[in-house]
Amino acid sequence: GQNIDQPTEMTATEGAIVQINCTYQTSGFNGLFWYQQHAGEAPTFLSYNVLDGLEEKGRFSSFLSRSKGYSYLLLKELQMKDSASYLCAVLDSNYQLIWGAGTKLIIKP
Amino acid sequence: GAVVSQHPSRVICKSGTSVKIECRSLDFQATTMFWYRQFPKQSLMLMATSNEGSKATYEQGVEKDKFLINHASLTLSTLTVTSAHPEDSSFYICSARVPGLAGGPTDTQYFGPGTRLTVL
Repeated sequence: GQNIDQPTEMTATEGAIVQINCTYQTSGFNGLFWYQQHAGEAPTFLSYNVLDGLEEKGRFSSFLSRSKGYSYLLLKELQMKDSASYLCAVLDSNYQLIWGAGTKLIIKP
Repeated sequence: GAVVSQHPSRVICKSGTSVKIECRSLDFQATTMFWYRQFPKQSLMLMATSNEGSKATYEQGVEKDKFLINHASLTLSTLTVTSAHPEDSSFYICSARVPGLAGGPTDTQYFGPGTRLTVL
């Protein structure tokens, strides 16, 4: 079966750095996405990785290791508005998105 | 990024009525749109894949006669919840697949703002 694992909840302090991990086992791989979802809202696109390595975009960076079936989303200089759920999703061999359950990130002042 | 709109944003209806939700891609043509349902504190659950000009593909366990999907044009897909019941109360979200945008990843999904359905 296809499976994506990420922690259910994480807590971090404003101004700090947090890393949200995602491991996956899917039938084929055509890329990994990270989405941010605030409570009561739809997800918004953050990043896409298809090759190994780190993609940096402002305060957010995403890393991928295809051989390990592993990715992480790194958030720097945390702000209160970063409190949200972060969803990891993998595009499988049929170009279907397989979704993780999401990680709820709580930012404390 | 690409813009997807969804209407209405919130609807409250009586049990037994039908509700139609519209999903539009505003600045691009979407040959494929997706309909998701999300219950509180749970992840997105794909209900169906909607392809322009053809019948939708439903996920296992989703009743196609209850959740009618029409993708009549490259910019509009509709989801009709027929004979809604309280257990259909949920957050319904559509997304559109954006193929091969210049400078962007292929097959990114952009989401509409969602529709919160409450069935009394």
